[in-house]
Amino acid sequence: ETGVTQSPTHLIKTRGQQVTLRCSSQSGHNTVSWYQQALGQGPQFIFQYYREEENGRGNFPPRFSGLQFPNYSSELNVNALELDDSALYLCASSLPSGDEQFFGPGTRLTVL
Amino acid sequence: SQQGEEDPQALSIQEGENATMNCSYKTSINNLQWYRQNSGRGLVHLILIRSNEREKHSGRLRVTLDTSKKSSSLLITASRAADTASYFCATDARKANSKLTFGKGITLSVRP
Repeated sequence: ETGVTQSPTHLIKTRGQQVTLRCSSQSGHNTVSWYQQALGQGPQFIFQYYREEENGRGNFPPRFSGLQFPNYSSELNVNALELDDSALYLCASSLPSGDEQFFGPGTRLTVL
Repeated sequence: SQQGEEDPQALSIQEGENATMNCSYKTSINNLQWYRQNSGRGLVHLILIRSNEREKHSGRLRVTLDTSKKSSSLLITASRAADTASYFCATDARKANSKLTFGKGITLSVRP
């Protein structure tokens, strides 16, 4: 196990609702990245946070937003949920100078 | 968008055989990484190869990189049933941040 934890494990929401997913990074890692993995696809980069600031964003609409806290844990917020938001959401922590990213177990979000 | 494309999409082999998986990508990279994922859970980092390296070994894993052809291969020798999983290649272009761009993955089944 990597030491990266995510909560909750599973979540069911309905269209239009809002959701917050949480991630605790591995000790000493100050960079957190979020990925969305649809069924049968590879993970897609959502955004990255470094020292509480957004440090790069993928091709996701503004209703996907995030936060990073002083202890380097992070949240992913998604507003106005759509059916296509159903996916596994993965967070990964790393050192800013490091190449390897350490992934958490993911949160499975289902939007009905 | 997916940068890497893995080949084949699915591979079924007998325990003890070798498994070779290929990955092609489109843009220049800083490094290329291979990850394993069991049953839609978190990603496990397997091996990283930098753009100035041609071959790396780690246990039963051997990865090669040909930057002129923008391709990589992962060889798993003496496969085991426990190697059954999805395998992804991911590229790190390291422009502004260390976001990973993943392919769609290869499903490897190792028959006992």
